[in-house]
Amino acid sequence: NAGVMQNPRHLVRRRGQEARLRCSPMKGHSHVYWYRQLPEEGLKFMVYLQKENIIDESGMPKERFSAEFPKEGPSILRIQQVVRGDSAAYFCASSPLGTAKETQYFGPGTRLLVL
Amino acid sequence: SQKIEQNSEALNIQEGKTATLTCNYTNYSPAYLQWYRQDPGRGPVFLLLIRENEKEKRKERLKVTFDTTLKQSLFHITASQPADSATYLCALEHGSSNTGKLIFGQGTTLQVKP
Repeated sequence: NAGVMQNPRHLVRRRGQEARLRCSPMKGHSHVYWYRQLPEEGLKFMVYLQKENIIDESGMPKERFSAEFPKEGPSILRIQQVVRGDSAAYFCASSPLGTAKETQYFGPGTRLLVL
Repeated sequence: SQKIEQNSEALNIQEGKTATLTCNYTNYSPAYLQWYRQDPGRGPVFLLLIRENEKEKRKERLKVTFDTTLKQSLFHITASQPADSATYLCALEHGSSNTGKLIFGQGTTLQVKP
């Protein structure tokens, strides 16, 4: 049973380009969470999605950031017109339905570097 | 304001001793609190969950306590080993959201010396 998969593991972008980060949850998991970890800081919640629905996006910056979790395929975190301050590790986590959703299983992360 | 705090300084202990890490929070009423381990360059790995009505939870060499009056959780690793060296994160559920959204502390780095 494969764990949470994220790709790419490393992504380099120049200022103004777009970054697309992908997350495939564990098999059978229908909840996906995205977190950002800035250098020397803790993990910060960004967004919580279920299939085809955004449940809580209270941690997402209002501009340039968007997330989706389509019926088929991975969850995508999209950052438009990246800036240097977007450089960070982005982690995706998934959990199953019900009370078991309390435990989140994290992927290895995507490290984004904006030049 | 709401805060969740862990010892920011690294904890260095000798192999075989018990490591104790602290997590304090203010202005939250979490239904549960979790501890994760994170190794450099990797994602966090779930270790233990303790609910608000539980005082203590154990798993092998790990023990977690949860005092909702003090608003504190303690994480213990007994008979520590060099392989236990990592950063340990506490996380609590943002109770009012009911979405499983986790708020993380900054983590405490543990170094176990042989």
